[in-house]
Amino acid sequence: EAGVAQSPRYKIIEKRQSVAFWCNPISGHATLYWYQQILGQGPKLLIQFQNNGVVDDSQLPKDRFSAERLKGVDSTLKIQPAKLEDSAVYLCASSYVRLGTYNEQFFGPGTRLTVL
Amino acid sequence: GQQLNQSPQSMFIQEGEDVSMNCTSSSIFNTWLWYKQDPGEGPVLLIALYKAGELTSNGRLTAQFGTTRKDSFLNISASIPSDVGIYFCAGQPISGGSNYKLTFGKGTLLTVNP
Repeated sequence: EAGVAQSPRYKIIEKRQSVAFWCNPISGHATLYWYQQILGQGPKLLIQFQNNGVVDDSQLPKDRFSAERLKGVDSTLKIQPAKLEDSAVYLCASSYVRLGTYNEQFFGPGTRLTVL
Repeated sequence: GQQLNQSPQSMFIQEGEDVSMNCTSSSIFNTWLWYKQDPGEGPVLLIALYKAGELTSNGRLTAQFGTTRKDSFLNISASIPSDVGIYFCAGQPISGGSNYKLTFGKGTLLTVNP
C-alpha cells in the first residue's frame, strides 16, 4: 500500500514570496491533516479536512495560509506571502474515519521550507 | 490551549540500556499515543493507548496510560542503535467527536551509542 506522498521535499524561498505544497493521501482515507513542525517542536495541526470539507482550521493563520481539497483526495497548502517564521517542515497526514475510536494518522515525509 | 510537557528533552545512552520517557498534560486526554520520527521522515505510530491504566507493549517498547488520564510513559528495553530518533507523545482530548485533533509534546531526542 502506498503511503502519503508529499512534494516538493525541500523548498527555499525569500520572504514575501509565495509557495505551495501538495499532498496525496493514502487511497480511501477520508480525513487529511496538514501540520507545521518547527525545529525542536512537535507537529502542530494547521487544518483538518474530512472529504472536501474543513473540520478544524482554528490554528491556520488565515491571513497568509490557505488550503484546499477540492475533490476530496489531493490537497494543496499555500503560503502567501511567506515570513521568516514560516520556516518549518510541513507534514501531511491521512486517516480512515471510524467514529468512536482513534483513527491512526499516517504521516508523509514532509516538505522542509526555508524562508530567507 | 492544551499543553504537553515531555521529558527528558534528550537522552544519550549506551546500547543495551533501558530508556524511560514521560509526558504530562494540563488536561485530560481520551487517547495517548507515542510516535517516533526519524530524520527527514514523518512520525510513525509506535503505541496507542485508549484506557486509563492501560499498559501496552510493542516488542521492546512498553507504554502506559496514567490513571489520572493526564500522563503517560514510554519505556524502551535493551536499546539498539536503530532506536535513535525523536520520540513524541501525543494526546487526543476527552471530547474528540469526529475531530481527532492531536496535541503533540516537544519530543525526546534519543541517541544510542553502540
